[in-house]
Amino acid sequence: GAVVSQHPSRVICKSGTSVKIECRSLDFQATTMFWYRQFPKQSLMLMATSNEGSKATYEQGVEKDKFLINHASLTLSTLTVTSAHPEDSSFYICSANGARTNYGYTFGSGTRLTVV
Amino acid sequence: QQQVKQSPQSLIVQKGGISIINCAYENTAFDYFPWYQQFPGKGPALLIAIRPDVSEKKEGRFTISFNKSAKQFSLHIMDSQPGDSATYFCAASSLSSYKLIFGSGTRLLVRP
Repeated sequence: GAVVSQHPSRVICKSGTSVKIECRSLDFQATTMFWYRQFPKQSLMLMATSNEGSKATYEQGVEKDKFLINHASLTLSTLTVTSAHPEDSSFYICSANGARTNYGYTFGSGTRLTVV
Repeated sequence: QQQVKQSPQSLIVQKGGISIINCAYENTAFDYFPWYQQFPGKGPALLIAIRPDVSEKKEGRFTISFNKSAKQFSLHIMDSQPGDSATYFCAASSLSSYKLIFGSGTRLLVRP
């Protein structure tokens, strides 16, 4: 089946630094990739949608300059949390869809970000 | 219009019982309704999905029932097992936007 790999699974960083999270579709070309944020015991909140080679579309209330998304190829999207603060600590999850997934959504395993 | 309302928030079922989780939506443009299972610290995994042209879909112990007129859909887990203990999310999307809108989640505990 379609596989989405997300890396790293866990990261701890200091306040003020930037962290990059990678999302790769391993065996299919992802037409669109999505980034979600999930707080403990809560649902997934869509942050942004990205298409290869174009600018990401951010959801209302999500800071574009803080959460930089790059979708450089049909198999790779990255989320960079810039100038991280403790309130950015969360579980970040990507998903991707494409013809291989019959345009359903395959999720990565998530990244636990802790900002200290 | 974009919301998907999910209930109950939590559910406790005995092993072998039936777990039922319900969702309701308002946006009639939604045309894809998946259910996801999520274990702690992991991403959601697709369980089963349905499109509005059918009223029921069954895969193994998992069944989706879909009521288009009521704008409701539900997940039934038959013969629930302790390994089914997880958080379940319903979701919905439309071909026009491809955005997947999630319900609030249901924490299922299946007692041995």
